[in-house]
Amino acid sequence: SYVLTQPPSVSVAPGKTARITCGGYNIGSKSVHWYQQKPGQAPVLVIYYDTDRPSGIPERFSGSNSGNTATLTISGVEAGDEAHYYCQVWDSSSDHVVFGGGTKLTVL
Amino acid sequence: EVQLVESGGGLVQPGGSLRLSCAASGFTFSDHYMDWVRQAPGKGLEWVGRSRNKANSYTTEYAASVKGRFTISRDDSKNSLFLQMNSLRTEDTAVYYCARAEGDSSGFDYWGQGTLVTVSS
Repeated sequence: SYVLTQPPSVSVAPGKTARITCGGYNIGSKSVHWYQQKPGQAPVLVIYYDTDRPSGIPERFSGSNSGNTATLTISGVEAGDEAHYYCQVWDSSSDHVVFGGGTKLTVL
Repeated sequence: EVQLVESGGGLVQPGGSLRLSCAASGFTFSDHYMDWVRQAPGKGLEWVGRSRNKANSYTTEYAASVKGRFTISRDDSKNSLFLQMNSLRTEDTAVYYCARAEGDSSGFDYWGQGTLVTVSS
């Protein structure tokens, strides 16, 4: 089965840039989606199809995907960005949705 | 406004059954794929299964962990999605979310607030 690997935690100072990676075999050939989840809340889609932002998501959120790594980049990090972030793909070989294990972003 | 509202969660003994519902509004339900995603306490997101739309013959897919025990169904006339859970195990304890997708490769653009299922004796 397809596996997505995320670092358990990332820490960044306010105003700096956070990069959260999502590793998977040839993930660059798949469409990657990213979700933000704050405590006690449902996940929110922040990046879809590798690089697109839903309406209402700040431009500070961006995505890239190539080779074996997809990356969620948050520029000018704010305290309100502190949350868990999950990557997700569709694995067509198994017809399954796959989530990464999640990354806790801490704003120092 | 798109809304997804889950219901039906609660406490059930191991080996028991439970049926979750997801009431949808604000969009053409029959056009969309609908999924169930769960999250065990303090853990990450785990995909449970999918119901494709009418155009794709309402076919379903399931995670290996629930296949043969859980069944996803939908009633487009009532804009509702269901999850029938049988032979429940303690490891099925989680918040269960319904989520909307446009197709197999798309992300989940709307999520419900979740309903808690606790499997315990």
